Amino acid sequence: QVQLQESGPGLVKPSQTLSLTCTVSGGSISRDEYYWSWIRQPPGKGLEWIGHIHHSGSTYYNPSLKSRGTISVETSKNQFFLKLSSVTAADTAVYHCGSLKNDAFDIWGQGTVVTVSS
Amino acid sequence: QSALTQPASVSGSPGQSITISCTGTSSDVGDFNLVSWYQLHPGKAPKLMIYEVSKRPSGVSYRFSGSKSGNTASLTISGLRAEDEADYYCCSYAGGSTFVFGGGTKLTV
Repeated sequence: QVQLQESGPGLVKPSQTLSLTCTVSGGSISRDEYYWSWIRQPPGKGLEWIGHIHHSGSTYYNPSLKSRGTISVETSKNQFFLKLSSVTAADTAVYHCGSLKNDAFDIWGQGTVVTVSS
Repeated sequence: QSALTQPASVSGSPGQSITISCTGTSSDVGDFNLVSWYQLHPGKAPKLMIYEVSKRPSGVSYRFSGSKSGNTASLTISGLRAEDEADYYCCSYAGGSTFVFGGGTKLTV
């Protein structure tokens, strides 16, 4: 059974870059039918799709991020990553990684809380 | 890309049925049969309940069903149980390999 686990700093200062890692276990990140995603939920608000990546390197992003987001993958470590630059308090959220198959997010990590504050 | 519209809350008694609506546009819900639904319990990983409008993943109860008409998708839960109490989110493919979620619905049983 595939499992995903997010990791990274819980506190980031305004204007800095948020960096998160998602580790995939129980299956290969290189399976062609899967994309690997980041989704966030700000406090008291709904879910927001951030973007996703294929092991081949193809990436897709939410236009609302205005090019601040970068998703990358390291197949040898079965990990993928999120970098979000120039963060503000509006980027405070629970960040989930997930697998995307058949245009649905079928497996999710529990999420990691990231707070943007000085 | 605007969030899909869901009711903020719905409620029902054990054994009853409820339906949660999810309204989008002709550019997302109305254009693709790629609506999915997720159940969120506090502190737990979100769970996929329905994909491709009406398909249930392995292990999801038959009590959960999905449908779509025009720009509105719906999730129906029959035979409500206490453990169904959670937040539910819809999501639609929106073209160009992008996705949009709904604002979420709190279900009280």
